[in-house]
Amino acid sequence: GQQLNQSPQSMFIQEGEDVSMNCTSSSIFNTWLWYKQDPGEGPVLLIALYKAGELTSNGRLTAQFGITRKDSFLNISASIPSDVGIYFCAGDAGGTSYGKLTFGQGTILTVHP
Amino acid sequence: GAGVSQSPSNKVTEKGKDVELRCDPISGHTALYWYRQSLGQGLEFLIYFQGNSAPDKSGLPSDRFSAERTGGSVSTLTIQRTQQEDSAVYLCASSQGRNNEQFFGPGTRLTVL
Repeated sequence: GQQLNQSPQSMFIQEGEDVSMNCTSSSIFNTWLWYKQDPGEGPVLLIALYKAGELTSNGRLTAQFGITRKDSFLNISASIPSDVGIYFCAGDAGGTSYGKLTFGQGTILTVHP
Repeated sequence: GAGVSQSPSNKVTEKGKDVELRCDPISGHTALYWYRQSLGQGLEFLIYFQGNSAPDKSGLPSDRFSAERTGGSVSTLTIQRTQQEDSAVYLCASSQGRNNEQFFGPGTRLTVL
């Protein structure tokens, strides 16, 4: 089946630093989504991307849908302690796979005050 | 408004017993999804309900797993003859129509002893 390779697996940064994480796939996706998960909670949708090349921002978060449709990145600017959590990318291949999101393995973000 | 709710939040059972996990989607959302998240892993698609259409069961790992959605709203995921490898967090999500921006519940943590 389809797999998403998400990197890095974990990051330890100082408050105020910028963060970048990315996902790559061997196959094409029609939609890319980025989620954040706090301990004991379900993932919360941060950004959804629907067009190749699309660049979308949500506050301090910026995400892009790669032109090849096989990758996406998420940037967090000026990190703060509440950014701590696990970030997941997810892709929807559409067609017969519509709605069946494929998730990356997650990036664990730790922010030191 | 209310988000996706799931019950119970935690379930401990003995190997071989059956369990039922419940999901209440966001009111008005026609699509409902179940995912499984093993410790430290990303989410794995299980099953997808869209309106009155037959569900997409392609992610169910074995015939011990089944799910129903009554009246187009509440869903129940049933695991029969549970095994230790079934231990995971089971997450439910819903979305509006054929919109793949999925909103997740807090999950049910299942532990099979």
